[in-house]
Amino acid sequence: DSGVTQTPKHLITATGQRVTLRCSPRSGDLSVYWYQQSLDQGLQFLIQYYNGEERAKGNILERFSAQQFPDLHSELNLSSLELGDSALYFCASSVYSTVNTGELFFGEGSRLTVL
Amino acid sequence: LAKTTQPISMDSYEGQEVNITCSHNNIATNDYITWYQQFPSQGPRFIIQGYKTKVTNEVASLFIPADRKSSTLSLPRVSLSDTAVYYCLVVLNYGGATNKLIFGTGTLLAVQP
Repeated sequence: DSGVTQTPKHLITATGQRVTLRCSPRSGDLSVYWYQQSLDQGLQFLIQYYNGEERAKGNILERFSAQQFPDLHSELNLSSLELGDSALYFCASSVYSTVNTGELFFGEGSRLTVL
Repeated sequence: LAKTTQPISMDSYEGQEVNITCSHNNIATNDYITWYQQFPSQGPRFIIQGYKTKVTNEVASLFIPADRKSSTLSLPRVSLSDTAVYYCLVVLNYGGATNKLIFGTGTLLAVQP
């Protein structure tokens, strides 16, 4: 158990819909990272938040947005969903603010299926 | 274009040493190289991290040459439970823009009895 909690574990929805994925980081971790993993794209970095502020942005679509709340949990919002958005979405947390210092602790992921 | 590449797959037998190399031709100067292991439908799990030369922990060794354009994860005496996908994770320098935290393409290691 990494200590990172993601909900829901599975989600099935239709094209055009909007969903919200939630992540609770490990106790004490200030950084939250979101990754998308699909069969043909591997692990793609989407966005990082540190202590409530956006820290780094990767290949995140404009239809997607994220935020980190004062209690440090984070939400990833996916809107106008397309079939290609079907993927595993991972959240990871870290103590550090910089992009690659120390260990990232990953949750079990949220599997999104868009029909 | 800066990128990170790994062999797609490797086969091994129990008890053998396995070396997986990641090429990262444009790694940022001051950042670490990290390796992760991932089992199906699970999140990646940290294996080892290093900056240069050699790092060893209880499960693996990491070899990094002086130019840091590649790194090699070494798994001694693999077992069936080491069958997984292995990723390197580096920060690539995009020439003044925000550096990108990039996972390698992943290597599926299949360990046979």
